[in-house]
Amino acid sequence: DAGVTQSPTHLIKTRGQQVTLRCSPKSGHDTVSWYQQALGQGPQFIFQYYEEEERQRGNFPDRFSGHQFPNYSSELNVNALLLGDSALYLCASIPWGANTGELFFGEGSRLTVL
Amino acid sequence: GQQVMQIPQYQHVQEGEDFTTYCNSSTTLSNIQWYKQRPGGHPVFLIQLVKSGEVKKQKRLTFQFGEAKKNSSLHITATQTTDVGTYFCAGRNNDMRFGAGTRLTVKP
Repeated sequence: DAGVTQSPTHLIKTRGQQVTLRCSPKSGHDTVSWYQQALGQGPQFIFQYYEEEERQRGNFPDRFSGHQFPNYSSELNVNALLLGDSALYLCASIPWGANTGELFFGEGSRLTVL
Repeated sequence: GQQVMQIPQYQHVQEGEDFTTYCNSSTTLSNIQWYKQRPGGHPVFLIQLVKSGEVKKQKRLTFQFGEAKKNSSLHITATQTTDVGTYFCAGRNNDMRFGAGTRLTVKP
C-alpha cells in the first residue's frame, strides 16, 4: 500500500518562473491538502482539495493555485516565483470525513528559487 | 485569524531528562494533533486530542488538552536519543494550523 507520493523531490527555479508540483494521495484517500514549510518553521496551510474543487484556502496569494484530478491526485502551481517561495512543499492526504483527521504527509518537494 | 503558538523553540536535554513543549491557540479548537518530524523527514502523526481536559499516554509520551480547548502540551519522560526531532502541534478550527515547532536535541 503506497503512501503519499510527491514529485519532484528537489528542484531549482529562478525568480519569475513557474513551477508545478505533483502529489498522489494514499490509497483510499480522496482529500489532499498542500502545505508550505519554510526552513525552521511549521507547515503553513495553502489549500485543500476534495472532489476536484478547492474547499479551503489559507493566507496565500493567487499566484498559488491547484488542481485535483478524478483519480484524486493533485497539483500545486506557483506562478511568478519569488525568492521567498523557497521552501519544502508538503502534500497531505486524508479520507474525507475521517474521524481522526490524521494527516498523512508525503516526503515533500524542496523548491529553491534563485 | 487563528494563530497557534508553540514554546520553546529549542530544547537541549541530557539523555534521561524530561522534556515538555507547550502549544497555545488564539481561538478555541475543535481538536489538536501532534506530529514529529525527524531531521530531513516529513511530519508524522502522533496523536489527536478532542475532548476538553483530555489526557492521553503513549509509552513515555503524555499529551494534554486544556479545559478551554485552547492549549495543549506534550511531555516526554526520560528522553532517549531516538526522541530527537521537531515536535509540532496542529490545531483544527476551520482548517489545520501548525505551530512553529519545538526542536529537541538529546545529548547521550
